Amino acid sequence: NAGVTQTPKFQVLKTGQSMTLQCAQDMNHEYMSWYRQDPGMGLRLIHYSVGAGITDQGEVPNGYNVSRSTTEDFPLRLLSAAPSQTSVYFCASRQRQGRTEAFFGQGTRLTVV
Amino acid sequence: AQSVTQLDSQVPVFEEAPVELRCNYSSSVSVYLFWYVQYPNQGLQLLLKYLSGSTLVKGINGFEAEFNKSQTSFHLRKPSVHISDTAEYFCAVSEGGGSNYKLTFGKGTLLTVNP
Repeated sequence: NAGVTQTPKFQVLKTGQSMTLQCAQDMNHEYMSWYRQDPGMGLRLIHYSVGAGITDQGEVPNGYNVSRSTTEDFPLRLLSAAPSQTSVYFCASRQRQGRTEAFFGQGTRLTVV
Repeated sequence: AQSVTQLDSQVPVFEEAPVELRCNYSSSVSVYLFWYVQYPNQGLQLLLKYLSGSTLVKGINGFEAEFNKSQTSFHLRKPSVHISDTAEYFCAVSEGGGSNYKLTFGKGTLLTVNP
């Protein structure tokens, strides 16, 4: 039972480069989201999706794009990486009800130099 | 809009001592409350959750939390901690009703258990 799978686990980018963080879940969850975790800031919501073809912005969306072509996958794209995007990124999924918990991937540690 | 405040950013304790990690939330509607734990270099895993019913909720690893609606709090407790409990703990809230999907997190409390 894989749950939520994120790849890669670690990545170093140069300023201006682009890349995609992958996230896949096998629990048939409608809701998927991306958070970034920075010291002292907790988890901040970047983008989320309530189903295939539907995405919306969270509290820190600038510099990131998402798409949701299938229920299983929710990739996060950095268009032009900046040092301020150095962070740990977590993908999470949950059922489409507020009373259920979210399941998290193991995270991607991204460094932009 | 919902929000979560974790009152302590760091809590150092000695092994076998009791601990309480404090969490307050704000919301204009009914809520569901969660505590997650994050061990070093790992993702978040669920410790416990309050959905409805009994206000005292028991979770994994001997942790429990009490929901207090009048004080809008959901404090996490453990009567005797172990070195292995060293981790960061996050309180989270989700609003009830309809299809509210968003989970809002506090900034976390780093629990350090010393020998």
